[in-house]
Amino acid sequence: GQNIDQPTEMTATEGAIVQINCTYQTSGFNGLFWYQQHAGEAPTFLSYNVLDGLEEKGRFSSFLSRSKGYSYLLLKELQMKDSASYLCAVEYGNKLVFGAGTILRVKS
Amino acid sequence: EAQVTQNPRYLITVTGKKLTVTCSQNMNHEYMSWYRQDPGLGLRQIYYSMNVEVTDKGDVPEGYKVSRKEKRNFPLILESPSPNQTSLYFCASSQFSGVPSYEQYFGPGTRLTVT
Repeated sequence: GQNIDQPTEMTATEGAIVQINCTYQTSGFNGLFWYQQHAGEAPTFLSYNVLDGLEEKGRFSSFLSRSKGYSYLLLKELQMKDSASYLCAVEYGNKLVFGAGTILRVKS
Repeated sequence: EAQVTQNPRYLITVTGKKLTVTCSQNMNHEYMSWYRQDPGLGLRQIYYSMNVEVTDKGDVPEGYKVSRKEKRNFPLILESPSPNQTSLYFCASSQFSGVPSYEQYFGPGTRLTVT
């Protein structure tokens, strides 16, 4: 199967920067999504990368290296409301395979 | 308002009693998908559909059926539910025109308990 690996949990301080990494198998790769999921809610879209490089969208940026099978989500100026799970999802053909998610805790 | 709706939101049932979870979207999306979410395992794709009458298996299709008779609806059917199908289920939809892909919009989730 296609394993998507990301850290289980991370803790960071309000106002800081945090980087959440994701590694995946490169064979059959089409593109990579990042979703945010607050407890008890549905996932919501953050970003989509298909080409190498950095995509910036406000406080959130996402990076992709296709050859290395590696992506990261960068969150700047952390706020308490950023406490959530962050899901890395890779598109293989018409299927979407999710990692187990990274629980981010933001402390004051 | 653009949305994906699921019903019911919560369901407690017994082993072997057939059930259907409905999913409907009002965005004219071609692609629809069902996921289950379990602690420590993340979201796993059960079935997906690229358009009317076109469905395919995801990673965990055993014990589930789907149909796509209309573009807006994509029901999930459990013919004989078992306790290992206790989970949180999400339906999602997106535009589809090959690569690159589009973001998926998720429904609010259905929490199913099978006793």
